[in-house]
Amino acid sequence: AQSVTQLDSQVPVFEEAPVELRCNYSSSVSVYLFWYVQYPNQGLQLLLKYLSGSTLVESINGFEAEFNKSQTSFHLRKPSVHISDTAEYFCAVSDSGNKLTFGGGTRVLVKP
Amino acid sequence: EAGVAQSPRYKIIEKRQSVAFWCNPISGHATLYWYQQILGQGPKLLIQFQNNGVVDDSQLPKDRFSAERLKGVDSTLKIQPAKLEDSAVYLCASSLDGTGAVGYTFGSGTRLTVV
Repeated sequence: AQSVTQLDSQVPVFEEAPVELRCNYSSSVSVYLFWYVQYPNQGLQLLLKYLSGSTLVESINGFEAEFNKSQTSFHLRKPSVHISDTAEYFCAVSDSGNKLTFGGGTRVLVKP
Repeated sequence: EAGVAQSPRYKIIEKRQSVAFWCNPISGHATLYWYQQILGQGPKLLIQFQNNGVVDDSQLPKDRFSAERLKGVDSTLKIQPAKLEDSAVYLCASSLDGTGAVGYTFGSGTRLTVV
């Protein structure tokens, strides 16, 4: 069975500072990897995904994530955060069975 | 295209009562999922449908939860009787072909409070 571990439950960060959210997964098969964002009182929105090819994937709002197969990780980074990035971020993995499994989430609080 | 529609948006019930949630996926999406998101946790898959057949319901508490997807389109999730620990947001998602390559689209969820 696959599982996803997000190592930090909360990450406070000052505005314009960099942030890294860590995600490790376990799966015995090839997987697709995702980061979802959930703003307060809103639904889940896809931030970015890794399917194949380049191990570095980027989103339109400045986030990037790197797939590391040997370390089974998919960490999310942003070089400079904004107040509007305050949200909860979920790492997720799906295998060939098409079952999407989520991590416990990391709450990012951006301080002015 | 229209997103995944869910109703009601909020529901408050007393324990031991029954409740039902409704989901209308994106038109043409064959795969439909119900997730339970307890406050402070990540979403947990309850059941996955492919068209109107169940693919995975291994984490569905079948003594109290039931779900159906008639005609392979809309779906309902029912809880009977509800317990306090069922308080959560119930998310519905759909996918064109059930793979991450195409993507999953989530509804806004139904927030259930059991008192």
